[in-house]
Amino acid sequence: QQQVKQSPQSLIVQKGGIPIINCAYENTAFDYFPWYQQFPGKGPALLIAIRPDVSEKKEGRFTISFNKSAKQFSLHIMDSQPGDSATYFCAASNSAGGTSYGKLTFGQGTILTVHP
Amino acid sequence: NAGVTQTPKFQVLKTGQSMTLQCAQDMNHEYMSWYRQDPGMGLRLIHYSVGAGITDQGEVPNGYNVSRSTTEDFPLRLLSAAPSQTSVYFCASTSMNFAEQFFGPGTRLTVL
Repeated sequence: QQQVKQSPQSLIVQKGGIPIINCAYENTAFDYFPWYQQFPGKGPALLIAIRPDVSEKKEGRFTISFNKSAKQFSLHIMDSQPGDSATYFCAASNSAGGTSYGKLTFGQGTILTVHP
Repeated sequence: NAGVTQTPKFQVLKTGQSMTLQCAQDMNHEYMSWYRQDPGMGLRLIHYSVGAGITDQGEVPNGYNVSRSTTEDFPLRLLSAAPSQTSVYFCASTSMNFAEQFFGPGTRLTVL
């Protein structure tokens, strides 16, 4: 069974800290790795995504680091703010054939709390 | 654009009852899917569709049926609700040429 394992389950940091959330996958056919952010009572929303041809991608304060050989990827949030408090999900999919973008396999989720 | 809409937002059912969760999108996306979200388990794919008239099973399809008669709508049916189906259900859509999935606001379902 395809799996994506995410850790930690919860994370508390102070404002300005750099929380790091890690994910590991098993299926070497995965070629698309998005991170989704979810606020209470809302649906998940795409935050940032990476493909395995690069080792790092940065968008604003959010950075994905990707290690293809270890089958691991992580999300770093620079200068974290209380407004970043949310649940974060990593995910993976195999886009072969162009029909698999919608078949995301999600990690278990990380509840991030940023204290002021 | 309204994006992805879901109704109802909340629902309480008794064991054995049936109901349909509605999902609609106005972005002309080919791909639509249903996920359920349970604490500590992330989101798990129930069923998905790559276009009108085409559906397939995801990771946890048992107890759920779907159909896709139009591009816009993708309802999820529970034929005989069970307490194990208590969850938050999300519908999502995406274009075949664009990887981002757009999620609806969710339906919180409780089965007593």
